[in-house]
Amino acid sequence: SQTIHQWPATLVQPVGSPLSLECTVEGTSNPNLYWYRQAAGRGLQLLFYSVGIGQISSEVPQNLSASRPQDRQFILSSKKLLLSDSGFYLCAWSVSDRTGGATTEAFFGQGTRLTVV
Amino acid sequence: QKEVEQDPGPLSVPEGAIVSLNCTYSNSAFQYFMWYRQYSRKGPELLMYTYSSGNKEDGRFTAQVDKSSKYISLFIRDSQPSDSATYLCAVNPHGLGGYEKVTFGTGTKLQVIP
Repeated sequence: SQTIHQWPATLVQPVGSPLSLECTVEGTSNPNLYWYRQAAGRGLQLLFYSVGIGQISSEVPQNLSASRPQDRQFILSSKKLLLSDSGFYLCAWSVSDRTGGATTEAFFGQGTRLTVV
Repeated sequence: QKEVEQDPGPLSVPEGAIVSLNCTYSNSAFQYFMWYRQYSRKGPELLMYTYSSGNKEDGRFTAQVDKSSKYISLFIRDSQPSDSATYLCAVNPHGLGGYEKVTFGTGTKLQVIP
């Protein structure tokens, strides 16, 4: 069965410090991978997605970057955190529907609560 | 105007009540409609989805879509304390594939009181 691992669960970082959040998926090959941020009252905001190794699409220009060094590994990074980077970060994976229908399900990790102080 | 609007709540109901959660959307291109449940400090999990208009039932849960009014609903019958969570609606256009096209509502926080 497929599983997704995301760590750490909580993180407190000072302003200006670097960030690295890691997500790995097991039990599937060539998944589509996603990073979301969830803020109170704003729902899930897609930050980055990847359809393959080294292929990263950015949805929102900001202080963050993403990388996919391996097929089932997705990393969210920042060189210098801002206060506004605080939030709940979620990694997810899905399989694209190749029949022309839309993908209706993604599987989410447990999330990382990031507080920038 | 947001593409998907959802009342944030919180919604508090007694155990056994029927719960109605609702979203409205603005883009008529949306064809897939999903409901996610998210427990506190956890990632969302898919409850059910419907394609186009109509109803879909799964145990105590019923999803309903009215495309003419761009209105989607989730009904929970005989609500239980374990249903206490945030419920997010989500929509996706048909034919474009890729989960990156999904738009989420802001979520409604539900509390079922024993």
